[in-house]
Amino acid sequence: DAMVIQNPRYQVTQFGKPVTLSCSQTLNHNVMYWYQQKSSQAPKLLFHYYDKDFNNEADTPDNFQSRRPNTSFCFLDIRSPGLGDAAMYLCATSRDPSGSFYNEQFFGPGTRLTVL
Amino acid sequence: SQQGEEDPQALSIQEGENATMNCSYKTSINNLQWYRQNSGRGLVHLILIRSNEREKHSGRLRVTLDTSKKSSSLLITASRAADTASYFCATDLNRDDKIIFGKGTRLHILP
Repeated sequence: DAMVIQNPRYQVTQFGKPVTLSCSQTLNHNVMYWYQQKSSQAPKLLFHYYDKDFNNEADTPDNFQSRRPNTSFCFLDIRSPGLGDAAMYLCATSRDPSGSFYNEQFFGPGTRLTVL
Repeated sequence: SQQGEEDPQALSIQEGENATMNCSYKTSINNLQWYRQNSGRGLVHLILIRSNEREKHSGRLRVTLDTSKKSSSLLITASRAADTASYFCATDLNRDDKIIFGKGTRLHILP
C-alpha cells in the first residue's frame, strides 16, 4: 500500500545533541511537510517542500533544518535540541495541489521526540 | 497565526448518540478539511468541502460550510467507541500548497 513512513517512531536525544528524523513516501507526491505537535495542541507547520522548492514558515526557529534529497525522502534536522523541542513530529505529503487535486494531506504516524 | 478554532474543546457522549463539532475561521478559503487523530498517531483525512459547497456527506459524517459566517460543522451520527479521537478542521488560506489546523476537539465516546 502507498504510504508515508516515519522513522524512528520514538527518538530520545540529549539536550544540545543533534538529531535527524526521517520521512519517506511511496505516493510520489510533489509536496512534503513537517509539522510539530505538542501535547493537546494543533499541528504547527514548520516548513514544506514543493518539489525541490523549500518554504520555511516565518516563525520556525533556525534550529530546525530540512533536506529533501529526492522525491521520496525528506529529513528534519534539529541542530541543538532544547527541552522545548520535545514533541511529536509529523510528516505529511500532498499531490500537486494545482489544478483539481486540492490539498488533502496524507500523514505518517509521527516521531515522538524526547529531549533529556 | 491561528486560522481555525474548534468548539467545544472536549466532548463526551454516549455510544450511539450524535456528536457535533464546530469550526470557525478568519479569512476567505478555497476549501475546508476535517481530520481525525487517534491518540499518539498521525492525522487521517476525513472529508473536504469546497467553498462553493454547503453540505457534504461521507458515511456517518456530515459536514456543513457557511462561508458568510466563516464556520463549519462536523456531525458524526450513531457514534461508536472507535470514534474516540481528536478532530481538527484545516483551512487553506486561499493557497494551494499549505493548510492551517485549528486547535481541535477531543471527542470521547462512552460505552
